Amino acid sequence: KNQVEQSPQSLIILEGKNCTLQCNYTVSPFSNLRWYKQDTGRGPVSLTIMTFSENTKSNGRYTATLDADTKQSSLHITASQLSDSASYICVVSALMDSNYQLIWGAGTKLIIKP
Amino acid sequence: DAGVIQSPRHEVTEMGQEVTLRCKPISGHDYLFWYRQTMMRGLELLIYFNNNVPIDDSGMPEDRFSAKMPNASFSTLKIQPSEPRDSAVYFCASKLLGTGGIGELFFGEGSRLTVL
Repeated sequence: KNQVEQSPQSLIILEGKNCTLQCNYTVSPFSNLRWYKQDTGRGPVSLTIMTFSENTKSNGRYTATLDADTKQSSLHITASQLSDSASYICVVSALMDSNYQLIWGAGTKLIIKP
Repeated sequence: DAGVIQSPRHEVTEMGQEVTLRCKPISGHDYLFWYRQTMMRGLELLIYFNNNVPIDDSGMPEDRFSAKMPNASFSTLKIQPSEPRDSAVYFCASKLLGTGGIGELFFGEGSRLTVL
């Protein structure tokens, strides 16, 4: 069964600290993986996309990694800021029956405290 | 472009009433998605369209839900009759397919529905 699991479910850290969010998937055939950031009361916004051949990709203070062998991805946030408080959702795309299907994780709720 | 536009942002209604949610996708995007989000179940795909044609509606919970896309710039999601368990945030999203299916979803701000 195609699934995406994220951990931890929630995380509280102090401003300025680093953190790492995890995403494990059992999706096949794998096409790509995206991380979305969802601020409270807003729609999700894409942070980065990882394709099969990519191991690491950075977007400012956000760095995503992908290990296609172990089917794991992580999102590392460096020097956290209050504006990083949000839910972070991992979504994996799979090509099935000639259509790309998206399998969404439940998200990690991150709270940054001053 | 103004992004994906949804209306209303908030809707409070009584059980049994009809609810219509509206969406204007980003111009030029060929895919449109309707999602429902709750604390318990996260984001759930209800239905999606390609070039105005419904492709997969297997996520529509019951016959009370229906969606239409009469043209490339407008879509509606209707619930009739509404029930308290339909209370959720409903998101519309659009995208271009992109090479290898990597097109990014652009979400609207959502419509928060409360059914009393």
